[in-house]
Amino acid sequence: GQNIDQPTEMTATEGAIVQINCTYQTSGFNGLFWYQQHAGEAPTFLSYNVLDGLEEKGRFSSFLSRSKGYSYLLLKELQMKDSASYLCAVRDNTDKLIFGTGTRLQVFP
Amino acid sequence: DTEVTQTPKHLVMGMTNKKSLKCEQHMGHRAMYWYKQKAKKPPELMFVYSYEKLSINESVPSRFSPECPNSSLLNLHLHALQPEDSALYLCASSQDRTSGVRETQYFGPGTRLLVL
Repeated sequence: GQNIDQPTEMTATEGAIVQINCTYQTSGFNGLFWYQQHAGEAPTFLSYNVLDGLEEKGRFSSFLSRSKGYSYLLLKELQMKDSASYLCAVRDNTDKLIFGTGTRLQVFP
Repeated sequence: DTEVTQTPKHLVMGMTNKKSLKCEQHMGHRAMYWYKQKAKKPPELMFVYSYEKLSINESVPSRFSPECPNSSLLNLHLHALQPEDSALYLCASSQDRTSGVRETQYFGPGTRLLVL
């Protein structure tokens, strides 16, 4: 079966660093995506990993270990506007995007 | 430009009504998707179109009928829906369905549907 696990909720303080973990067991692997979704809005693309290692994009970085079925999203210098849900999604061997349940991040002043 | 537009933003319909949701993108993308999202749940794939042909139907009930008139447009026709079909319906597009970053999906703002 397909399984993507993320913590349900996380809290952090403005200016801090937070790491959101994602573990996956899917039918094949053709890439991992992170999306941000504010309440009532559409998901917006943050990052893409297909090879092991770290991808850095401004305040956001994403890491992948294919052998461990593991990824994390690292958010630095947190801002209030970063309060949102963060969705980990894996493209499986049928070319479908399988989403995790999402991690709801709350940033406090 | 990574914009996908959807209309209407909100829709209320009765169980006997027929309505359509519309999605449009002008990024030259050749793959388009419909997702259904319930509150506090991840998006669930419904349909995938690749080069204007239906390539995936995730066993969606026939009261949902997709249509891809051309490479920029995607419709979802609704008929005889049930209250449990109330959800946020998201459209997405990607360059195509090859491997790699070209598969990155860009989502529209969604249509919030309420079935009474």
